[in-house]
Amino acid sequence: GQNIDQPTEMTATEGAIVQINCTYQTSGFNGLFWYQQHAGEAPTFLSYNVLDGLEEKGRFSSFLSRSKGYSYLLLKELQMKDSASYLCAALDSNYQLIWGAGTKLIIKP
Amino acid sequence: GAVVSQHPSWVICKSGTSVKIECRSLDFQATTMFWYRQFPKQSLMLMATSNEGSKATYEQGVEKDKFLINHASLTLSTLTVTSAHPEDSSFYICSARDLGRENTEAFFGQGTRLTVV
Repeated sequence: GQNIDQPTEMTATEGAIVQINCTYQTSGFNGLFWYQQHAGEAPTFLSYNVLDGLEEKGRFSSFLSRSKGYSYLLLKELQMKDSASYLCAALDSNYQLIWGAGTKLIIKP
Repeated sequence: GAVVSQHPSWVICKSGTSVKIECRSLDFQATTMFWYRQFPKQSLMLMATSNEGSKATYEQGVEKDKFLINHASLTLSTLTVTSAHPEDSSFYICSARDLGRENTEAFFGQGTRLTVV
C-alpha cells in the first residue's frame, strides 16, 4: 500500500531551527511536495523535490533521499507566524498526490 | 503561480437542503480537479477526482449520490452536497494541477467551510 509518515506534532522556540521528517512508500515516485496550512485555510505550496539533495528557499529548505524514501523540511530563524501544520505529499506513478496527516508545529516565544 | 478560485468561502444551511460549491481554475486548464474534505485537526481526505467530460472517481467510503461532482469544462468543477446533515459539516477544498506541465504543484482553492444546522 501507499503510505506517508510524519510526526503528529512538534514544538520549537522562536528564532531556533526545526526539522520535520517525512518517510514515504508509494507505487512509483514522481516527486515530493511540502505544503504549509494555517488553521481554517487551504494549504500553500512550499517546495517540490524530485532529485536527491537539498533545495534551499529563504528560511525554508527541503531535502530528499529517493533511495531511503525520506524527506525533511528545515525551517530556520523560526517566527511565530510559522506556527501551522506542514503537510508532506508524494506524487506516485499515476501522478496522484498521496498525503501525509500533517505535522502541527507549535512555536513558543 | 496559478490561481484556483473556490466559492463560496463559507455557507450555513439547514439540514436536508443541498449546497453547491464551485471550483474554477482561472489561468490554466485543469483536466483534473480534486475534492478534499478536512475535519478539524485532521489532514486532507481525498473524496473524489473530477475529470473533465467524464464521471468522477470516488474514493472508497464516499457516497456518489450524496456528493455530486460535475466537471463540465476545463476550468470549472462543482461539488454538490445533497440532503446535507450536520455530520457533513466540514472544510471542503478543491485543488487542480496543470497537467499540461507534469510534476507541478497542486493549486488549492480557498476552501469552503460548510456548517449544517
